[in-house]
Amino acid sequence: AQSVTQPDIHITVSEGASLELRCNYSYGATPYLFWYVQSPGQGLQLLLKYFSGDTLVQGIKGFEAEFKRSQSSFNLRKPSVHWSDAAEYFCAVGRGSNYKLTFGKGTLLTVNP
Amino acid sequence: KAGVTQTPRYLIKTRGQQVTLSCSPISGHRSVSWYQQTPGQGLQFLFEYFSETQRNKGNFPGRFSGRQFSNSRSEMNVSTLELGDSALYLCASSSGTVNTGELFFGEGSRLTVL
Repeated sequence: AQSVTQPDIHITVSEGASLELRCNYSYGATPYLFWYVQSPGQGLQLLLKYFSGDTLVQGIKGFEAEFKRSQSSFNLRKPSVHWSDAAEYFCAVGRGSNYKLTFGKGTLLTVNP
Repeated sequence: KAGVTQTPRYLIKTRGQQVTLSCSPISGHRSVSWYQQTPGQGLQFLFEYFSETQRNKGNFPGRFSGRQFSNSRSEMNVSTLELGDSALYLCASSSGTVNTGELFFGEGSRLTVL
């Protein structure tokens, strides 16, 4: 069965600092990988996705993620965090025409001024 | 283009009652998925509908059901509500024909069961 692990429940960073959110997955084939962000009281917004090809993918809001097959990881990064990045971040895995996504439990990001 | 619209946004029910939640997808999208979000279990897939047919189903009891209409609008129903059904129910739409993997989520319907 597919699964996603986000080891960090809560991360606090200072504004302007770099950020890395970890994501490990378990999947029987090459997965489709996603990062979504959820602001309080809002739905989820897609930040970026990986299907194939270049293992470093760029997303919106200055985020990027790197797919590492050997480590079954898809970590999200941002070089300089802004206060508006405070939100909950979810990593998800899916495949092909199956629109079912399996989500991690999420990482809550707090940004200190 | 209007986004995914879910109604109602908030509702309170008591145990044993039933509830119906509605979702209007983005115009032109034919796939609608439903997810339950709780602090303990996180986001869990309920089911996905495409062209009025349930195409995928998660591991939820039969009390959870859904349907999709010819205009792609979808409803989900939960019967005989239990306290544990308190959650944020998120609807997501996608084209359904080309799997870009991008789901467009609504803001959710927050259900409280007392």
